[in-house]
Amino acid sequence: GNSVTQMEGPVTLSEEAFLTINCTYTATGYPSLFWYVQYPGEGLQLLLKATKADDKGSNKGFEATYRKETTSFHLEKGSVQVSDSAVYFCALRSVGGADGLTFGKGTHLIIQP
Amino acid sequence: DAGVIQSPRHEVTEMGQEVTLRCKPISGHNSLFWYRQTMMRGLELLIYFNNNVPIDDSGMPEDRFSAKMPNASFSTLKIQPSEPRDSAVYFCASRAGQGEEETQYFGPGTRLLVL
Repeated sequence: GNSVTQMEGPVTLSEEAFLTINCTYTATGYPSLFWYVQYPGEGLQLLLKATKADDKGSNKGFEATYRKETTSFHLEKGSVQVSDSAVYFCALRSVGGADGLTFGKGTHLIIQP
Repeated sequence: DAGVIQSPRHEVTEMGQEVTLRCKPISGHNSLFWYRQTMMRGLELLIYFNNNVPIDDSGMPEDRFSAKMPNASFSTLKIQPSEPRDSAVYFCASRAGQGEEETQYFGPGTRLLVL
């Protein structure tokens, strides 16, 4: 079946540091890949997505590239801010399979001023 | 747009009681999803509907859980009887279509505590 593996958190960084949150997946075919962000007390918001190999999703300074050869979709940001503190979820939607999303466990990111 | 609306936002109940969670999807969206979030298991898909019809309920934990979508603007998730292990945050999400790039939009969630 489908699965998503994320690095365990919490991840604590200083403001303006470089961020990488690793995500790898297992799926049949060529899934669509997503990063969602959850701020305290809120629902999930789509951060970025990529639907085919070598696509790069980007939003709010965050980027992730769909790497089919390594089945990865790592999230990066060059300079984080305190307001980026949240839980980040990597997810996939398989082609021709179940319509719902398969999520990773989430990575809690804490940015200190 | 008001986004996906869920109610109640918080629910505390005693074991054995019936619990009903409600969701109003974004107007015009024809797919609706119910997810459960716990510390141990993360986010799990429980059930989803296309055009008000349940398509896949394989994620529903057991017969105590049931979901309905009587019309395009309303869905319920019911737990009867509730148990402490049902304590979690329940999210509803909706989507406009079934194309590969269509995005799911999540509601704020209902935080359920069963004592």
